[in-house]
Amino acid sequence: GAGVSQSPRYKVAKRGQDVALRCDPISGHVSLFWYQQALGQGPEFLTYFQNEAQLDKSGLPSDRFFAERPEGSVSTLKIQRTQQEDSAVYLCASSLDGTGWEKLFFGSGTQLSVL
Amino acid sequence: GNSVTQMEGPVTLSEEAFLTINCTYTATGYPSLFWYVQYPGEGLQLLLKATKADDKGSNKGFEATYRKETTSFHLEKGSVQVSDSAVYFCALTPKAAGNKLTFGGGTRVLVKP
Repeated sequence: GAGVSQSPRYKVAKRGQDVALRCDPISGHVSLFWYQQALGQGPEFLTYFQNEAQLDKSGLPSDRFFAERPEGSVSTLKIQRTQQEDSAVYLCASSLDGTGWEKLFFGSGTQLSVL
Repeated sequence: GNSVTQMEGPVTLSEEAFLTINCTYTATGYPSLFWYVQYPGEGLQLLLKATKADDKGSNKGFEATYRKETTSFHLEKGSVQVSDSAVYFCALTPKAAGNKLTFGGGTRVLVKP
């Protein structure tokens, strides 16, 4: 596609529900990143994939957070048993090569609200 | 650890005014430095970057110089337009970390006609 696409654009969940957030990176992009952006703050790194391999998941805040990219293209970020503190915008970004140094392209994000 | 501190907003300016957004950082070694911009309703976009000391990044009339002595990367533009209204984020990444960015908190800029 023309850019990084994320869905849904908005998600409202009741506390304790599981949610799944989807990211479609730019076709052919090797690297994929997830960031979490709390209201009024800068994005914070969650996890990084190179193709289907999750090379860095050091930013995932708890074991309730899980990300996958099984075929090296589309990625899903899953949050189990959502809590109010999970409310944030979740950003996906991709870049062309596997070094992680090529220009990053960000999606518009999924705004998650946990009630 | 790595951190980025930037001036809090909002910054409100008149069109054609001079804009400065301060950014300082803490990092081991010599990181690469970036400014990203987020226009209303859009995703983050890379505005400019600098990869070593004394480098100047520039784009769309914006400039920032990598100052190792003061660990700073201040963003400047000589004459802002209404279309520059956005949130600006300073960010860094250590050399070995690729695009694993550490961002500042963002500065909202509002340019009035």
